[in-house]
Amino acid sequence: GENVEQHPSTLSVQEGDSAVIKCTYSDSASNYFPWYKQELGKGPQLIIDIRSNVGEKKDQRIAVTLNKTAKHFSLHITETQPEDSAVYFCAASIGDYKLSFGAGTTVTVRA
Amino acid sequence: DAGVTQSPTHLIKTRGQHVTLRCSPISGHKSVSWYQQVLGQGPQFIFQYYEKEERGRGNFPDRFSARQFPNYSSELNVNALLLGDSALYLCASSFYSTGLYEQYFGPGTRLTVT
Repeated sequence: GENVEQHPSTLSVQEGDSAVIKCTYSDSASNYFPWYKQELGKGPQLIIDIRSNVGEKKDQRIAVTLNKTAKHFSLHITETQPEDSAVYFCAASIGDYKLSFGAGTTVTVRA
Repeated sequence: DAGVTQSPTHLIKTRGQHVTLRCSPISGHKSVSWYQQVLGQGPQFIFQYYEKEERGRGNFPDRFSARQFPNYSSELNVNALLLGDSALYLCASSFYSTGLYEQYFGPGTRLTVT
């Protein structure tokens, strides 16, 4: 089955700096790659996603890149703010089927 | 519009007991998936249902079962609870159409087995 690895496990950044989280996947048939943000005591919130026919997608301060050849994708958060502090998960799936999640990255934005 | 709703919010059970968790998807969504999230880990896929039929099952024992109702709500049942079943159980709904894959999660049910 699909195996998704996520790095780093923890990330501490100064407010205003950028944060980058990287994920690799194993199944070349995966074609959908969402990112979720999970705050304490809440369910994961979809923040951005990318499909295999696109190399990059941006939404305000958040961007995701996909390299299908290398089977890796990354989340970039620019101009980080304290409210960006949370656990971020990457995931991969084949269409509308089971999501295989990474282990998560705890992001702390220092004021 | 209301998001995915789950009940109950918290639950404490004893080993060997049975538990039923409930989920209502976003209005218009016909697909419901269940995930188990152990503390400190990413969610693990348990089941997916679409139009009341099971479309997929993760690597979980037969003690776990689920069903989807005509109104697209869903129940997850776990029999003979073990301490290791303690986790946050998440429900996700999706519209399911060609090219539309987004899954939206509910707040989860925190199950503690003692």
